[in-house]
Amino acid sequence: AQSVSQHNHHVILSEAASLELGCNYSYGGTVNLFWYVQYPGQHLQLLLKYFSGDPLVKGIKGFEAEFIKSKFSFNLRKPSVQWSDTAEYFCAVLTNAGKSTFGDGTTLTVKP
Amino acid sequence: DAGVIQSPRHEVTEMGQEVTLRCKPISGHDYLFWYRQTMMRGLELLIYFNNNVPIDDSGMPEDRFSAKMPNASFSTLKIQPSEPRDSAVYFCASSIRNTEAFFGQGTRLTVV
Repeated sequence: AQSVSQHNHHVILSEAASLELGCNYSYGGTVNLFWYVQYPGQHLQLLLKYFSGDPLVKGIKGFEAEFIKSKFSFNLRKPSVQWSDTAEYFCAVLTNAGKSTFGDGTTLTVKP
Repeated sequence: DAGVIQSPRHEVTEMGQEVTLRCKPISGHDYLFWYRQTMMRGLELLIYFNNNVPIDDSGMPEDRFSAKMPNASFSTLKIQPSEPRDSAVYFCASSIRNTEAFFGQGTRLTVV
């Protein structure tokens, strides 16, 4: 069965700091990879996705993620965070069987 | 399209009562997922359907939980009898195979 591991449970940064959130997955087959964001009191929304092709994918709001197949990783990055980026971030894996598995989430707090 | 629609948005019920959560997926989507989110356990996949057929219900916590999808445009998650530990936010999501999931706004359930 697939699993997703997010290394950081809670990250606290000051505005303009750079962000990197780790995500590793365990699955032997082909996967599609996603990062979702959940702002306080809201539902999950898609930040970016990787299906194939260029392993560096760009999403909304200046976020990007890099798929490194050899490391089974899909880390999320942003060069300069803003206070409005305060949210919970989820990494997810979708197998070709149609099943999505989410990581436990990382709570990001950006101090103004 | 209005997105994934869940009802009710909030539900407060007494222990022992039956609770029914409803979900209308995005038209044309052939996968439907039910998730539960709590502070303690994070985001848990309860069950998912493909073309109205339950594919994996291994995440359903107990026999008190049941889910149905009588047609492509409607699904229910029922808890009978409800218990205080069932208090959580329940999300429904839908997708087209091998693409990202779109989440509803969630139902916040409180069992007192």
